[in-house]
Amino acid sequence: DGGITQSPKYLFRKEGQNVTLSCEQNLNHDAMYWYRQDPGQGLRLIYYSQIVNDFQKGDIAEGYSVSREKKESFPLTVTSAQKNPTAFYLCASSMEQRGKLFFGSGTQLSVL
Amino acid sequence: SQQGEEDPQALSIQEGENATMNCSYKTSINNLQWYRQNSGRGLVHLILIRSNEREKHSGRLRVTLDTSKKSSSLLITASRAADTASYFCATHHRYSGAGSYQLTFGKGTKLSVIP
Repeated sequence: DGGITQSPKYLFRKEGQNVTLSCEQNLNHDAMYWYRQDPGQGLRLIYYSQIVNDFQKGDIAEGYSVSREKKESFPLTVTSAQKNPTAFYLCASSMEQRGKLFFGSGTQLSVL
Repeated sequence: SQQGEEDPQALSIQEGENATMNCSYKTSINNLQWYRQNSGRGLVHLILIRSNEREKHSGRLRVTLDTSKKSSSLLITASRAADTASYFCATHHRYSGAGSYQLTFGKGTKLSVIP
């Protein structure tokens, strides 16, 4: 089945630790996105990538980093510089820039 | 950055009734999309309406777009308990500073359909 797979579903971060969230898609989409969702809030764009080896900052990129070495993969690292990382993280992809997004099932990140 | 604003924030109706949710936005758009999210899950795309379209239907869903008022509405007819979820509008517009187009999401309407 085609889709987007995020892992892990739940992740805990210790003080000063970097953690990496995985996002893999087999839809052959060029564009991939990372969003952050806080309780009762909408989605805010962290980073996006329109093509392999290229990515751009979104509205809230500080404290996060990404890579896009393969078309299928767009991992997100939450660094120790992100002081309030507790949130639900959603990865998405799209076939074209103006089209609909396909979302993964999300990763809930919490701080120990 | 621009963000769609949904209204109401929460809506509770009886099964079989219609549910209407509204979305307002600030600047010109290429298209407007509606998504659904069940608690703790990812979003699922429902419908996309382009800026030159005024109305679109998909099953029990009806979306309208009024670009002069910068607003859209989502109507779910004959609601079911399974429609209980949060509904988000997202505006597709030129993204500031990057020369690209991005989707910006509102905060959503939480719909509860009571059996």
